[in-house]
Amino acid sequence: EVQLLESGGALVQPGGSLRLSCAASGFTFSNSAMTWVRQAPGKGLEWVSIIYSGGSNTFYADSVKGRFTISRDNSKNTLYLQMNSLRAEDTAVYYCAKGGQTDSWGQGTLVTVSS
Amino acid sequence: DIVMTQTPLSSPVPLGQPASISCRSSQSLVHSDGNTYLSWLQQRPGQPPRLLIYKISNRFSGVPDRFSGSGAGTDFTLKISRVEAEDVGVYYCLQATQFPYTFGQGTKLEIK
Repeated sequence: EVQLLESGGALVQPGGSLRLSCAASGFTFSNSAMTWVRQAPGKGLEWVSIIYSGGSNTFYADSVKGRFTISRDNSKNTLYLQMNSLRAEDTAVYYCAKGGQTDSWGQGTLVTVSS
Repeated sequence: DIVMTQTPLSSPVPLGQPASISCRSSQSLVHSDGNTYLSWLQQRPGQPPRLLIYKISNRFSGVPDRFSGSGAGTDFTLKISRVEAEDVGVYYCLQATQFPYTFGQGTKLEIK
């Protein structure tokens, strides 16, 4: 059974940084692309970023490009999202999902950007 | 960026009746590899999203056969043949053909 467990969400001040993690199990992590998606309170889903299996191919939404960095450690079956220069509009539940078509999702971790 | 437009935004449906949600993309979703990467996801209240349909019409593992997807190019449809109480939630289309990937704005399915 695929399991994805996000962690690292917190309350952070505008301009601050945070690193999210997503621990994966139940599938061959090193063979799978991984995706981050976020959902602001009461809003719809927003695609954030994707990283391919080897880790060298990454893509971002325009809203986070230059501020967020996706990475992975295949030896630890873990996906990361480094978030810098955080803004109030980055406040959301952040989900990790397996694959580009997001066939499995974690429960999410809440990031709140506020002073 | 490809804009995904869903209609309706809200759909009250009696139990046992069919439901249909449309998703239109601003550009063709046919990938250079010949596939069309259009998915449908369901998000029940308080839950993370769940994949229902991928590549237009393929049901994901464990998805009931009352859910079906169709369409081509820029116009796609999710149909529920007979709505059940557990189908309440928000439905999203997702295009994974061109970066950045984009979601539709969501359609809220309610029981009338």
